[in-house]
Amino acid sequence: AQSVAQPEDQVNVAEGNPLTVKCTYSVSGNPYLFWYVQYPNRGLQFLLKYITGDNLVKGSYGFEAEFNKSQTSFHLKKPSALVSDSALYFCAVRDEDDYKLSFGAGTTVTVRA
Amino acid sequence: NAGVMQNPRHLVRRRGQEARLRCSPMKGHSHVYWYRQLPEEGLKFMVYLQKENIIDESGMPKERFSAEFPKEGPSILRIQQVVRGDSAAYFCASSPTGGPQETQYFGPGTRLLVL
Repeated sequence: AQSVAQPEDQVNVAEGNPLTVKCTYSVSGNPYLFWYVQYPNRGLQFLLKYITGDNLVKGSYGFEAEFNKSQTSFHLKKPSALVSDSALYFCAVRDEDDYKLSFGAGTTVTVRA
Repeated sequence: NAGVMQNPRHLVRRRGQEARLRCSPMKGHSHVYWYRQLPEEGLKFMVYLQKENIIDESGMPKERFSAEFPKEGPSILRIQQVVRGDSAAYFCASSPTGGPQETQYFGPGTRLLVL
């Protein structure tokens, strides 16, 4: 079985400050991890993924995420947040033997000017 | 390269009617996944299809729901005799193959409202 937890329903930061969105996962095998962003009434946009290799993954719009196997975490980060980053962020995991994604409940990010 | 397309974007049905949701995958993608997003919740897997085959429908309710992906044309998610609890956003995703390393690209979703 595979699952994802996003412990924070909401994250609020000031523009220009660092942004972190937390994610922990559980899988039986090797994890494949993904971050998506959803704007109101829109579909999910892919940000980045971890498959193997370097634990620090860089993605779209200046986002990056760090895979930590010992802590089973895959936190999303951005060094300097923008107001336009305000959206709903989903972490998702896939077991190496599976094809369906399991999503966390989502974290609403609000960046204030 | 056009992304995943879904239509209609919004659908209103009365209880007992049928809802038919369509999904056209990205060009070159032959694998389609349907997910449902209930209010205030994350996305839940429903069904995984390849052309003319249902690979996994373990996330789909046993009754009233069906899905297909014909050789020609879009994938269809069909909900018969809709009830208010079916109100949700239904998202389709596609990938070139079904490999676990591949990214699934999502469409804009169909928001179903059952009155």
